[in-house]
Amino acid sequence: GAGVSQSPSNKVTEKGKDVELRCDPISGHTALYWYRQSLGQGLEFLIYFQGNSAPDKSGLPSDRFSAERTGGSVSTLTIQRTQQEDSAVYLCASSPFLGYEQYFGPGTRLTVT
Amino acid sequence: SQQGEEDPQALSIQEGENATMNCSYKTSINNLQWYRQNSGRGLVHLILIRSNEREKHSGRLRVTLDTSKKSSSLLITASRAADTASYFCATDALRGGGSEKLVFGKGMKLTVNP
Repeated sequence: GAGVSQSPSNKVTEKGKDVELRCDPISGHTALYWYRQSLGQGLEFLIYFQGNSAPDKSGLPSDRFSAERTGGSVSTLTIQRTQQEDSAVYLCASSPFLGYEQYFGPGTRLTVT
Repeated sequence: SQQGEEDPQALSIQEGENATMNCSYKTSINNLQWYRQNSGRGLVHLILIRSNEREKHSGRLRVTLDTSKKSSSLLITASRAADTASYFCATDALRGGGSEKLVFGKGMKLTVNP
């Protein structure tokens, strides 16, 4: 079946602009996660959604970051007023339930100039 | 904050040799997972071991878990050039009797030379 997809695969934006990153999880997966990975670094947790529960936003680095998950499926990560330090690969993953193995998308490489 | 820490941070071996990577963590866990990442993109799940398991096998992979030492090891036997990648351990911290989000280590770069 189809895996996790993310769009766009690459995004170059100017400092101060807003960007939206999209994630389509595997159908039926109740948990969805966003991570950020800077060059050569590990994964930095941003936010996760589990079913209809309130999302865990504890990893969002500032109030410029927000995410939503509509209808328990597609998720959008929004970064407002982008800064150069926001440049990274943003990875989305889904899993059948929280705590199970996660299936990752290919990521969106964001470059803020 | 990082929960898992992989050791060594980088490992270079010859094709056919075995590769062992270690992971240490700090808090009680539900499960521990290992992932592989090629080319800085999406991660691929390799194996999950639960807190009540001590050893698990999957093909050329062998994972052990020692909850008393809060450590795990990933052994790749008969390595191939295609095993060249970064490997991450991730822990699902046990909180309030339920699962929590996965926390990933910084990763370990394995290079298998042909």
